[in-house]
Amino acid sequence: NAGVMQNPRHLVRRRGQEARLRCSPMKGHSHVYWYRQLPEEGLKFMVYLQKENIIDESGMPKERFSAEFPKEGPSILRIQQVVRGDSAAYFCASSRTGQGGYEQYFGPGTRLTVT
Amino acid sequence: DAKTTQPPSMDCAEGRAANLPCNHSTISGNEYVYWYRQIHSQGPQYIIHGLKNNETNEMASLIITEDRKSSTLILPHATLRDTAVYYCIVRVVGGATNKLIFGTGTLLAVQP
Repeated sequence: NAGVMQNPRHLVRRRGQEARLRCSPMKGHSHVYWYRQLPEEGLKFMVYLQKENIIDESGMPKERFSAEFPKEGPSILRIQQVVRGDSAAYFCASSRTGQGGYEQYFGPGTRLTVT
Repeated sequence: DAKTTQPPSMDCAEGRAANLPCNHSTISGNEYVYWYRQIHSQGPQYIIHGLKNNETNEMASLIITEDRKSSTLILPHATLRDTAVYYCIVRVVGGATNKLIFGTGTLLAVQP
């Protein structure tokens, strides 16, 4: 079984450009989560999605950030007009259901560098 | 979700058991205890979880005290590859959200 896949693994963007991060969940998983890890800091929850629905976006910055998980295809985390402070590792996780007791499996992350 | 307290760092000799403690004195009856670890720069890796009974899998054992206010993760024979930050997380069962709240964790350094 393939694990959670994220691409690209490394992404370099200039200030003001857009960054699009992709996440393909594990087979059979329909729940996706995005987390961000700033340099030398812990992991912070950003958003929780099911297919075509955002369930919890309490950790998403109010501006420039959006996420989707369409019926077909990977989940996308989109950052518009990137700034240097967006440089971080972005991790995606997936789970089989959203009920407690089901573990989340993480991908290898996308390292975003804003120059 | 309840807060957890972990020591910031621990050392362990290779081949010996690593016992990582976690305090979660405000845990509620419907909250599980989860353990994840993050090896340098990699994505977090699920290790084990439990509600009130002790649990064991191929990676580790989880011992939860009877009052559920603390737990210990045991790696029975630590190897150099077990060097990582270990996170203890408590999470409500069946809540509206499924997010994990990571604290600062314990940096386990396995020494040769």
